[in-house]
Amino acid sequence: GQQLNQSPQSMFIQEGEDVSMNCTSSSIFNTWLWYKQEPGEGPVLLIALYKAGELTSNGRLTAQFGITRKDSFLNISASIPSDVGIYFCAGNAGGTSYGKLTFGQGTILTVHP
Amino acid sequence: DGGITQSPKYLFRKEGQNVTLSCEQNLNHDAMYWYRQDPGQGLRLIYYSQIVNDFQKGDIAEGYSVSREKKESFPLTVTSAQKNPTAFYLCASSIGESALGNQPQHFGDGTRLSIL
Repeated sequence: GQQLNQSPQSMFIQEGEDVSMNCTSSSIFNTWLWYKQEPGEGPVLLIALYKAGELTSNGRLTAQFGITRKDSFLNISASIPSDVGIYFCAGNAGGTSYGKLTFGQGTILTVHP
Repeated sequence: DGGITQSPKYLFRKEGQNVTLSCEQNLNHDAMYWYRQDPGQGLRLIYYSQIVNDFQKGDIAEGYSVSREKKESFPLTVTSAQKNPTAFYLCASSIGESALGNQPQHFGDGTRLSIL
């Protein structure tokens, strides 16, 4: 089946630093999504990408849909303590996998004040 | 407010007991999903439903059952056949497919199930 490799698994950074994480797939996706999850809560959608090469921003967050359609990255600029959480990438291959998302393992982000 | 409501927040199951987790959405979404999350892992799909009275198995459906009698409701039953049910269970919904492709899933706040 489809697999998503998300890296890094965890990051420990100082407030104000920029963060970058990425996901790679063994197969082509036609939708990439990035979510953030805080303890005891459900994931919250940050950015949705629908076209290869698409670059989308949401405040300090920027995500890109890779040209090969097999990867995506998320950047967070000027991190703040409330950025702490687990960030997940998710992809959908479309076609017969209608509606089904494959999730990465998550990147645990810790921001030191 | 529109959203996805999961209940209860915490649930305890005795050995050999079936338990049902509730998921209700008032977003008028067609599609609904159930995921299981274990510590340090991503989300794994249990069951999903694209329309009322129809649902499909996900990647880890064994030991679980669902129903979709109403558009807004998609309850999940964890049966006694599920030998390792302790996990965080997440329900999600989405509009479904549109001209932009598959629309994002939006999640409830989860139910944490533990074994007594």
